[in-house]
Amino acid sequence: EADIYQTPRYLVIGTGKKITLECSQTMGHDKMYWYQQDPGMELHLIHYSYGVNSTEKGDLSSESTVSRIRTEHFPLTLESARPSHTSQYLCASSSRTGWGTDTQYFGPGTRLTVL
Amino acid sequence: AQKVTQAQTEISVVEKEDVTLDCVYETRDTTYYLFWYKQPPSGELVFLIRRNSFDEQNEISGRYSWNFQKSTSSFNFTITASQVVDSAVYFCALSEAGGTSYGKLTFGQGTILTVHP
Repeated sequence: EADIYQTPRYLVIGTGKKITLECSQTMGHDKMYWYQQDPGMELHLIHYSYGVNSTEKGDLSSESTVSRIRTEHFPLTLESARPSHTSQYLCASSSRTGWGTDTQYFGPGTRLTVL
Repeated sequence: AQKVTQAQTEISVVEKEDVTLDCVYETRDTTYYLFWYKQPPSGELVFLIRRNSFDEQNEISGRYSWNFQKSTSSFNFTITASQVVDSAVYFCALSEAGGTSYGKLTFGQGTILTVHP
């Protein structure tokens, strides 16, 4: 099971501010993911990375950006926060073991409120 | 395209009742993986189980059991003798084996389970 950390857990911020949501994992997993969860509960993949210097956009278009300079670190940045960015952001990581697909393990999430 | 449907938006039961959460999926792949996650009020997603498409053996873990039926594209989750601590949102998810979708999860809409004392 992965140890995966997200900070901050809660963030209330004004419109136009730049924010970075941190995500770190200590299991050496090569793959990392960011999901956005709206109040209606659905989870949407917004970014993923299959390794250092690899990032891809997910299924849901997002104005956020990500970087993967170190294996264990996958921060998400919003250059100018807007109220429409208010959501819960969940980070996950996984690594292939044996054959078959990975199992993703999730962090505790960051609840972002943009006023 | 793959799709996961959890038709039950909310379920409310009284403690000690058995409850089944339904999950129906769609995929064109012959090899795929199914998952269940639990999201308690604290917000994190907790991994519960993963099944491969070629292994239809049902699984039991304590009060939890899972029934996988390829013929009906269903992967249902039963909690026996429910407890208040089981109250959470439960997500079913699907992952395809390869191609551009490798490792990516498609989630159902989630089912809110409330267990009353």
